[in-house]
Amino acid sequence: DIVMTQSPDSLAVSLGERATINCKSSQSVLDTSTNRNSLAWYQHKPGQPPRLLIYWASTRVSGVPDRFSGSGSGTDFTLTISSLQAEDVAVYYCQQYFSPSVTFGQGTKLEIK
Amino acid sequence: QVQLQESGPGLVKPSETLSLTCTFSGGSISDYYWSWIRQPPGKGLEWIGYIYYSGTTDYNPSLKSRVTISIDTSKNQFSLKLTSVTAADTAVYYCARRTRSCSSLSCNLDYFDYWGQGTLVTVSS
Repeated sequence: DIVMTQSPDSLAVSLGERATINCKSSQSVLDTSTNRNSLAWYQHKPGQPPRLLIYWASTRVSGVPDRFSGSGSGTDFTLTISSLQAEDVAVYYCQQYFSPSVTFGQGTKLEIK
Repeated sequence: QVQLQESGPGLVKPSETLSLTCTFSGGSISDYYWSWIRQPPGKGLEWIGYIYYSGTTDYNPSLKSRVTISIDTSKNQFSLKLTSVTAADTAVYYCARRTRSCSSLSCNLDYFDYWGQGTLVTVSS
């Protein structure tokens, strides 16, 4: 299995400030035939299902605010929230789909400072 | 509008079989892989398995010996059976739609774009 490791486990950021979450995979998730990274980011709020934010490491889902962005390639990826809003409080997960047996990171809990 | 909804018992006794059904609407059944994912209390997300409309399945190796996923295309439903459950199987169970992308040579399974609301299943006597 590809192991996904997120850092930090929790993060407190002031409103309007930048939040950065990192995700590292135990092996590359770059598909060299398409030059796309098989990496997604989800936002998970209590009592709701996870919400897809980003796929192919940097493609934002339609309707997701543009303060959310994804970057990285190979084994190292980052989710950035450029200006934290109150509604962004949630747990964020990265997920690799390079392998048919998908795996998720352990999650990063994002709170307001 | 895509919707998925889980249904089934919220309480299962140890050693018995957990059975859940997901009813979905919106989108073409053949364009996606229909999946189950769970989240134990206080823990992260764990992929259980998927089924394609043709009946092709794949399961998480850690659960493979106990899991069966089936599909009823006439009802737009797919189901999960997990046998010999223990307290460790207590979790919120989600059904989800997994996208796919195809080239001229093959199709790859991708990310989960829609999820059901989730249903808590507790294993307890």
